[in-house]
Amino acid sequence: GQNIDQPTEMTATEGAIVQINCTYQTSGFNGLFWYQQHAGEAPTFLSYNVLDGLEEKGRFSSFLSRSKGYSYLLLKELQMKDSASYLCAVRVPSGYSTLTFGKGTMLLVSP
Amino acid sequence: SAVISQKPSRDICQRGTSLTIQCQVDSQVTMMFWYRQQPGQSLTLIATANQGSEATYESGFVIDKFPISRPNLTFSTLTVSNMSPEDSSIYLCSVEFTRETGELFFGEGSRLTVL
Repeated sequence: GQNIDQPTEMTATEGAIVQINCTYQTSGFNGLFWYQQHAGEAPTFLSYNVLDGLEEKGRFSSFLSRSKGYSYLLLKELQMKDSASYLCAVRVPSGYSTLTFGKGTMLLVSP
Repeated sequence: SAVISQKPSRDICQRGTSLTIQCQVDSQVTMMFWYRQQPGQSLTLIATANQGSEATYESGFVIDKFPISRPNLTFSTLTVSNMSPEDSSIYLCSVEFTRETGELFFGEGSRLTVL
């Protein structure tokens, strides 16, 4: 089976930096994704890692270690609008290479 | 990216009835996916809909309960049949535009409440 773990909730202060971790054990690996989902809205794509290392995109960065089955999403200069659920997802090469999602980490940014 | 429209956005349904959710994309896509997001849970893939062939269902989901149509490259429907309160969920249509990354784009979702 597939198992993707991430913390259920995190809190942080506006302007701070927060790191959301994700560990996975899956039958195969073909990329790791991070999505942001605001309450009542559809998930939106944030980042994609397929090779080890850090991918930086503005205030958001994502890191991957395939040997450790580990990724993190780093959010810098936190803003109130960053309060959302952050979903870690792994693409498993099975048939149509579908995405398997973790349960998400609810991030609350306070003033 | 593209615009993905789902209808209805929300509905309240009676136990035992069926409801069909429509997903319209403003460009042609090969693969469309239907996900379910139960309250407080993450997204679970129901099935993959490929135009011109039968949908492929994930473990725990069957065609009799969730029949899917995919008549062309821009449209798909998901029917939730013989609903029970356990089917109360958000149902999301998604498409893959960038084959290199497999990034998914999602519709706004259809929030169903079954009484």
